[in-house]
Amino acid sequence: GAVVSQHPSRVICKSGTSVKIECRSLDFQATTMFWYRQFPKKSLMLMATSNEGSKATYEQGVEKDKFLINHASLTLSTLTVTSAHPEDSSFYICSATDREDQPQHFGDGTRLSIL
Amino acid sequence: DAKTTQPPSMDCAEGRAANLPCNHSTISGNEYVYWYRQIHSQGPQYIIHGLKNNETNEMASLIITEDRKSSTLILPHATLRDTAVYYCIVKKTGTYKYIFGTGTRLKVLA
Repeated sequence: GAVVSQHPSRVICKSGTSVKIECRSLDFQATTMFWYRQFPKKSLMLMATSNEGSKATYEQGVEKDKFLINHASLTLSTLTVTSAHPEDSSFYICSATDREDQPQHFGDGTRLSIL
Repeated sequence: DAKTTQPPSMDCAEGRAANLPCNHSTISGNEYVYWYRQIHSQGPQYIIHGLKNNETNEMASLIITEDRKSSTLILPHATLRDTAVYYCIVKKTGTYKYIFGTGTRLKVLA
């Protein structure tokens, strides 16, 4: 089945630093990738949708200057949390698909802890 | 807003069938029903999806009522490894967006 790899799986860093999370589709070309955020014991919340080679579409309430998304190739999207603060601590999950009529395939998530 | 309603939790004995219901009473004719599960601290795993016919794969069966207002995911012989949160999602044809509801936390008991 389709495989999506997310890296790193866990990151702990100091307040004020920027953190980059990578999402790769390993065996298919991901024309569309998605970034979600999940708080403990809560459901996934879509943050943004990105298509290869174009600007990401952010959901209402998500700061695009805070969460920078780049989808430069058909197999890689990155999410950069800029100047991270403790309230940005969360579980970030990416997903990818090559067609609208195909299921999204999810990475295993990145647990971000800001001290 | 999520378009689905699921019970918050269910228990199932190991080896028995787990039947997870989902209500999607406002579903439109061009909206698919997708099921995913999320094991603790992992990303969601795709299980199955359907439009109006019942579907079966190696993981599960999906039963959709004739009026399409509800569906049931069936895990035929639940194992301890099936303990997870199960999400039922309705997605419109021609769009990509998933809106996750609160899901059902299934606990399989030994």
